[in-house]
Amino acid sequence: EAQVTQNPRYLITVTGKKLTVTCSQNMNHEYMSWYRQDPGLGLRQIYYSMNVEVTDKGDVPEGYKVSRKEKRNFPLILESPSPNQTSLYFCASSAGTAQETQYFGPGTRLLVL
Amino acid sequence: QKEVEQNSGPLSVPEGAIASLNCTYSDRGSQSFFWYRQYSGKSPELIMSIYSNGDKEDGRFTAQLNKASQYVSLLIRDSQPSDSATYLCAVGERALTFGSGTRLQVQP
Repeated sequence: EAQVTQNPRYLITVTGKKLTVTCSQNMNHEYMSWYRQDPGLGLRQIYYSMNVEVTDKGDVPEGYKVSRKEKRNFPLILESPSPNQTSLYFCASSAGTAQETQYFGPGTRLLVL
Repeated sequence: QKEVEQNSGPLSVPEGAIASLNCTYSDRGSQSFFWYRQYSGKSPELIMSIYSNGDKEDGRFTAQLNKASQYVSLLIRDSQPSDSATYLCAVGERALTFGSGTRLQVQP
């Protein structure tokens, strides 16, 4: 089944404790992206990647890191999480650019205390 | 910074009516426009994309684009209770900017 998977789905952590949210797709897609969704603010793009080893900042990259060492994986790293990073995070992938249909993962709900 | 504006709603329409959802964007150079639907607690899913001025129809959905006015709309004909969701407008090519979404309620 074609899908985008994220792990973990739910995470409670404390300020300053490094964490990684994994994202994997099995569709051989070149484009992958991370978004955060907050009430009243909609989806905001954090980082995106056009291909392996190619990443670029979205609208809200501060406090986040990403890497794209393999085509299928695009982990999101929070080196020192803060409470304002409490949010719902979505990973997405598409065949080409953002103009192609983006397939979203199920979401990761993060609470930073 | 690019901005995409939507009325948050809720927009309430009776079953069978036409629902009209609107979106404006700030970047005059934008070329690609999308409508995503998001059910409560679920991930967004793409329902329409439009790239040139005019109308694009797909089943009960029609997307309308007016680049001169920097305006995108989505019409849903014969609205059904299953259409009740939040509709997100998105703009961009390499990076996507989303609006905050309009919540649609279709009353049986």
